[in-house]
Amino acid sequence: AQSVTQLDSQVPVFEEAPVELRCNYSSSVSVYLFWYVQYPNQGLQLLLKYLSGSTLVESINGFEAEFNKSQTSFHLRKPSVHISDTAEYFCAVSELRSASKIIFGSGTRLSIRP
Amino acid sequence: KAGVTQTPRYLIKTRGQQVTLSCSPISGHRSVSWYQQTPGQGLQFLFEYFSETQRNKGNFPGRFSGRQFSNSRSEMNVSTLELGDSALYLCASSWGTGGVSLEQYFGPGTRLTVT
Repeated sequence: AQSVTQLDSQVPVFEEAPVELRCNYSSSVSVYLFWYVQYPNQGLQLLLKYLSGSTLVESINGFEAEFNKSQTSFHLRKPSVHISDTAEYFCAVSELRSASKIIFGSGTRLSIRP
Repeated sequence: KAGVTQTPRYLIKTRGQQVTLSCSPISGHRSVSWYQQTPGQGLQFLFEYFSETQRNKGNFPGRFSGRQFSNSRSEMNVSTLELGDSALYLCASSWGTGGVSLEQYFGPGTRLTVT
């Protein structure tokens, strides 16, 4: 069975600083990978996804994540964060054979200091 | 296009009772998935329905059940409620169940409190 580990439960950073949210997964088969974001008092939104092809995927608001098969990682990065990026970020994985069964990590709370 | 809607948004029930939650997917979406979110366990997959058939199921007891109607609307039912069932229940819809069709859109959730 697949699983997802988000190594940091909380990440505090200063505004305009770079950030990396770490995610490792475990699966014996090919997977799809996702990052979701949950803003305070709001529902989950898909930030970006890796299905196939280029291992570097980008979101419209400056985040990017790189699929590393050898290290089974899918870390999320942003070169310069903004106050509005304050949210909880969830890494998730699903196996190709049951793609709609998405397994989430425990989440990383990103707090931005001015 | 309207988003995923869930009703009710908040619910308070007593231990031992049963509850039914409803989810209306985005128009045209045929897949509906349910998740439970708690501070202790995080987000956990409950089950997924596609074209009125349960396609995937998580590791929850049989007290948790669901169904999907021909218009893709879905309901989930929890019988014999326990205090530990207090959670935010999230519904997500997608057009399909695999590959590029697998982009799930989440509703705002139903906050269930069991007393």
